[in-house]
Amino acid sequence: KQEVTQIPAALSVPEGENLVLNCSFTDSAIYNLQWFRQDPGKGLTSLLLIQSSQREQTSGRLNASLDKSSGRSTLYIAASQPGDSATYLCAVITYSGAGSYQLTFGKGTKLSVIP
Amino acid sequence: DTGVSQDPRHKITKRGQNVTFRCDPISEHNRLYWYRQTLGQGPEFLTYFQNEAQLEKSRLLSDRFSAERPKGSFSTLEIQRTEQGDSAMYLCASSLKSARTTEAFFGQGTRLTVV
Repeated sequence: KQEVTQIPAALSVPEGENLVLNCSFTDSAIYNLQWFRQDPGKGLTSLLLIQSSQREQTSGRLNASLDKSSGRSTLYIAASQPGDSATYLCAVITYSGAGSYQLTFGKGTKLSVIP
Repeated sequence: DTGVSQDPRHKITKRGQNVTFRCDPISEHNRLYWYRQTLGQGPEFLTYFQNEAQLEKSRLLSDRFSAERPKGSFSTLEIQRTEQGDSAMYLCASSLKSARTTEAFFGQGTRLTVV
């Protein structure tokens, strides 16, 4: 059974700092990996999708890397802003047969950026 | 394209009552997922549809839960005889069946409180 772990569970940083969020997964037979942002009481917003053949993906101040063989992904946020405060979730996408793709999530990292 | 829409956003119900939630996916997305999220946890997979066919169901989906996607467009999730343990955020996601991407887009969720 695929298990996804995110470290740290919570992180507090001063505004302007660069930071790294970590995600690890137990089964390297993944199809893709996706990073999401979740604001309190809200749904999930897709940030980046990394296909299993890719090493990294960038969007603005965000950079996500993937090392499939070691079961790790990192999300790098440059020059953090108070508006980045949210919970960041990592999800691995696996093919579970019969045309079904399933996302398995970690518990998330709660980020607070202090002005 | 207005994104994934879920209705209602909040639902408070008495234990033992039945509730039904609706999800309208992004148009032309043929894959639709239901997830459940409790406080401090990542979303957990409930069920998956490809067009109108329900291809996968989680063990979490007890006999009291039923999901449909008639005509392969919107989907409904019904919970019969609700229990306090059903209190959670119910999230719907959709994606497009494509050889190049499996990026999933989530709605804002339906927050269920069983009293």
